[in-house]
Amino acid sequence: AQKVTQAQTEISVVEKEDVTLDCVYETRDTTYYLFWYKQPPSGELVFLIRRNSFDEQNEISGRYSWNFQKSTSSFNFTITASQVVDSAVYFCALSESAYSGAGSYQLTFGKGTKLSVIP
Amino acid sequence: DTAVSQTPKYLVTQMGNDKSIKCEQNLGHDTMYWYKQDSKKFLKIMFSYNNKELIINETVPNRFSPKSPDKAHLNLHINSLELGDSAVYFCASSQDRVYTDTQYFGPGTRLTVL
Repeated sequence: AQKVTQAQTEISVVEKEDVTLDCVYETRDTTYYLFWYKQPPSGELVFLIRRNSFDEQNEISGRYSWNFQKSTSSFNFTITASQVVDSAVYFCALSESAYSGAGSYQLTFGKGTKLSVIP
Repeated sequence: DTAVSQTPKYLVTQMGNDKSIKCEQNLGHDTMYWYKQDSKKFLKIMFSYNNKELIINETVPNRFSPKSPDKAHLNLHINSLELGDSAVYFCASSQDRVYTDTQYFGPGTRLTVL
């Protein structure tokens, strides 16, 4: 089973619309971190946010906001008043505290959501 | 200044060749990683390297070998390249190898094997 599920493969919105990217995760740990990364068409991976499992406060950074709900194991990302520069693939990732051998302390990524913002 | 840099950005080579990708970080981090991103954009860890301790993802073929001359550099050597090795390879670094640390990624190297 996937540990991080981003069910939306592709989303298209018209500029200035709001859009929410969904992320659902699965873990047995009580202590873990969640991340969002942005991969624009130029290809680099840009860190956006890190959230620990004990902090369920919503976070807002400019037009970006994140809603973390442990009850539904979700960490959703909303872009308000989208712009063409927001067009990218967005990845949600999970980092768990339990050590389980080779490859541990790794980020487990979802498959990404491709967002296209149409002018 | 670029925090995590990789060279080259593009690499095109023939099957059977040996190639290397270089990675450098100037963040003062103790841990570095290599990830592979396939054609469907799926990102998967290949290696993590911390204080000379290498942790290998067991699914990585032994044709791939990371080499770290110092803690700011982690190079990736690939022997006997195969068509299936075509992908984008990302280097990353974090302060330490703990689950709390944010990983910062390089710009990626697109490898094409012909």
